Amino acid sequence: DAGVIQSPRHEVTEMGQEVTLRCKPISGHDYLFWYRQTMMRGLELLIYFNNNVPIDDSGMPEDRFSAKMPNASFSTLKIQPSEPRDSAVYFCASRPQQGIPSSGANVLTFGAGSRLTVL
Amino acid sequence: GESVGLHLPTLSVQEGDNSIINCAYSNSASDYFIWYKQESGKGPQFIIDIRSNMDKRQGQRVTVLLNKTVKHLSLQIAATQPGDSAVYFCAEKANYGGSQGNLIFGKGTKLSVKP
Repeated sequence: DAGVIQSPRHEVTEMGQEVTLRCKPISGHDYLFWYRQTMMRGLELLIYFNNNVPIDDSGMPEDRFSAKMPNASFSTLKIQPSEPRDSAVYFCASRPQQGIPSSGANVLTFGAGSRLTVL
Repeated sequence: GESVGLHLPTLSVQEGDNSIINCAYSNSASDYFIWYKQESGKGPQFIIDIRSNMDKRQGQRVTVLLNKTVKHLSLQIAATQPGDSAVYFCAEKANYGGSQGNLIFGKGTKLSVKP
């Protein structure tokens, strides 16, 4: 398996533009997570899906952020309009259905991240 | 990775020495813990995990210790190598509120290995 695939790896855009980040989870993983990482806040959970259904979006900063998962192999995180404070690295991660702790089922596999710079 | 920066606790060790990275977790009800390693420009990678019914678990060159009394977790790396230079995160599995079953990450510690 190629792991969790994210695109683009780097995105530089101007304030006000729409940004779309993409993620392909590991095949067979039922859970997909979007995280944001900054120096100030560390890793923050934005939203997660279970079987393509959004379960908890309480971490989404505001209405400018939206996420979708139209099928088991694809998810998007969209920011519209983007602002300089959205500059961060955005990670997608996936894992299988939750199982016995320490069985590996709780281990998130992360993608390489999408580095967003909003000017 | 972008998490590396001036705001992170930093541990500097000599190559060949042992490293100990510490982490305090937040909730006594958490029953599972993971250590991740994040190298520059990459996503976090799983290192080792431990259940709350254990106080020690060993892997290859790494050992995780869990002290539930003081809600403290540590990662020990034996014979630290330059390739171990990275940011290390502990994570706990939440069993409360809307985040049941999800991981909550600490702020991270930057490990720097001097040759």
